[in-house]
Amino acid sequence: GEEVAQTPKHLVRGEGQKAKLYCAPIKGHSYVFWYQQVLKNEFKFLISFQNENVFDETGMPKERFSAKCLPNSPCSLEIQATKLEDSAVYFCASSQSAGTVYNEQFFGPGTRLTVL
Amino acid sequence: KQEVTQIPAALSVPEGENLVLNCSFTDSAIYNLQWFRQDPGKGLTSLLLIQSSQREQTSGRLNASLDKSSGRSTLYIAASQPGDSATYLCAVLKDSSYKLIFGSGTRLLVRP
Repeated sequence: GEEVAQTPKHLVRGEGQKAKLYCAPIKGHSYVFWYQQVLKNEFKFLISFQNENVFDETGMPKERFSAKCLPNSPCSLEIQATKLEDSAVYFCASSQSAGTVYNEQFFGPGTRLTVL
Repeated sequence: KQEVTQIPAALSVPEGENLVLNCSFTDSAIYNLQWFRQDPGKGLTSLLLIQSSQREQTSGRLNASLDKSSGRSTLYIAASQPGDSATYLCAVLKDSSYKLIFGSGTRLLVRP
């Protein structure tokens, strides 16, 4: 598609439950990025993919967070055993290329996760 | 470690006024800088991208400048309108990584 699509828009989970978020990048974009926005507009990078390969996972809390980008499927971000501090808006972005001055990331509308 | 700072944190102006939003970054080794707009409860809309070799970019009433050596960028909004009310975020793309580093944003209110 022409826009980055994210589902669901809102997700509510009890502490300890699993949460799974989905992202469909813009058609033709090879790179996918996940960011977490917490209070006061703080954006934290989580993970990036080049097609189905993990590109950079330095921001991922590996114990409970995992992500995949499989061919012909939306990318997913999964949180096992959610904690209260996981409450945030999770944004997905995609770009046509990476590592150049032309690299522009386009963002989806986000998924608001609330952990009770 | 790259840090991005935006000043002011909030700004309220009457309609029609020209205004400047500021963004500074500590590490000049960047590929580019993007300005985004975020409406409450919404995603990010990319406004302008300035490549590291460029000095400015313009789109309609928006003009963004980049001084890489001093680690500064400004977003100039001409003839502001109530519809410009939003949070404006700047983000730099590091040249050793492909991830964006965001500032904390400037919340703009344009009063009718």
